[in-house]
Amino acid sequence: EAQVTQNPRYLITVTGKKLTVTCSQNMNHEYMSWYRQDPGLGLRQIYYSMNVEVTDKGDVPEGYKVSRKEKRNFPLILESPSPNQTSLYFCASSLSGAQPQHFGDGTRLSIL
Amino acid sequence: AQKVTQAQTEISVVEKEDVTLDCVYETRDTTYYLFWYKQPPSGELVFLIRRNSFDEQNEISGRYSWNFQKSTSSFNFTITASQVVDSAVYFCALSESASGTYKYIFGTGTRLKVLA
Repeated sequence: EAQVTQNPRYLITVTGKKLTVTCSQNMNHEYMSWYRQDPGLGLRQIYYSMNVEVTDKGDVPEGYKVSRKEKRNFPLILESPSPNQTSLYFCASSLSGAQPQHFGDGTRLSIL
Repeated sequence: AQKVTQAQTEISVVEKEDVTLDCVYETRDTTYYLFWYKQPPSGELVFLIRRNSFDEQNEISGRYSWNFQKSTSSFNFTITASQVVDSAVYFCALSESASGTYKYIFGTGTRLKVLA
């Protein structure tokens, strides 16, 4: 089954404790992206990747890191999480940036 | 800079009414792509339609139709004879190529409530 898999689905953690949200896709997609969804703000792109080893900042990259060492994986790293990063996060992939995105089920992060 | 505006925060209609969700975009590129996604109460994001900037042909898919007008930078979505299952948040999105990369911009979404 074609899918984008994010883990964990839910996480409650504390300020400053590094965390990684994993994202994996099995569709051989070139383009991958991370978004955060906050009430009233819609989805905002954090980082995106056109291909392996190619990443670019979206609109809200501060406080996040990503890497794309393999085509299928695109982890999101919060080196020192803060409460303002409490949000619902979505990973997505597509054949290219011009194509529709397939989304994971979301990761709800709460940072206390 | 890119921008997508969905001015309608929330719309409530009674079942079987028609409803139009507005989307206005801003871009400096001549090549860009527009999308609509649906987020039902269960939370997943579902792709509905994609349009490229060179294709202004309107599209109809069952009860759904889309009106793309470059002259007004709008890409509106109409649901005919709405049903309770149409209740969801709908997002309009824009992808444009700047220097060969593609940034995605989503609107803030319109929450549609269809009442039985």
